[in-house]
Amino acid sequence: DAGITQSPRYKITETGRQVTLMCHQTWSHSYMFWYRQDLGHGLRLIYYSAAADITDKGEVSDGYVVSRSKTENFPLTLESATRSQTSVYFCASNRGADTGELFFGEGSRLTVL
Amino acid sequence: GQQVMQIPQYQHVQEGEDFTTYCNSSTTLSNIQWYKQRPGGHPVFLIQLVKSGEVKKQKRLTFQFGEAKKNSSLHITATQTTDVGTYFCAGRDNYGQNFVFGPGTRLSVLP
Repeated sequence: DAGITQSPRYKITETGRQVTLMCHQTWSHSYMFWYRQDLGHGLRLIYYSAAADITDKGEVSDGYVVSRSKTENFPLTLESATRSQTSVYFCASNRGADTGELFFGEGSRLTVL
Repeated sequence: GQQVMQIPQYQHVQEGEDFTTYCNSSTTLSNIQWYKQRPGGHPVFLIQLVKSGEVKKQKRLTFQFGEAKKNSSLHITATQTTDVGTYFCAGRDNYGQNFVFGPGTRLSVLP
């Protein structure tokens, strides 16, 4: 049961560089999500997707881009990384946005210098 | 927009003591979930509450959903070192499509 996997687990980059974080799930869940976790803020939603080719913004979407050409993949791209985007990023999935639990990946720790 | 708060932010307890974390929403919730995140780990689902006044138990953990569906609590009886971690509530209101997470309560258990 591979579940939901994220890569890379750790990434150091420089301001202005483009970075893509990958997320892959094997359950064929309809919904996928990207959160960032920062001390004192809990988990904040960046983007979510209800199905392939359907994406929508969360509360902190500025500076991020997503795509979902296949149900199982949901990459997150930082087009021009800034220091404020240093964070731990979690991908999650579930069968439906209003039903059941979120299954989280292991997280990707990104440092922007 | 919807806001979810949790108190306390941190809690240090002696092993065997009880622990409670409280979650409050600025809007009425349709349902609420609780997650646990171990240090260095990822959030793991614990439970979902849907009904007003609902109480659910999982071994030493007791979850409550307030009558007004604007608050919730998680109570751990006789904490153990395995309970260490951060506990998050996540609420969804009647208008939102997604769950909004609280900032979490970090629990430390001293042996």
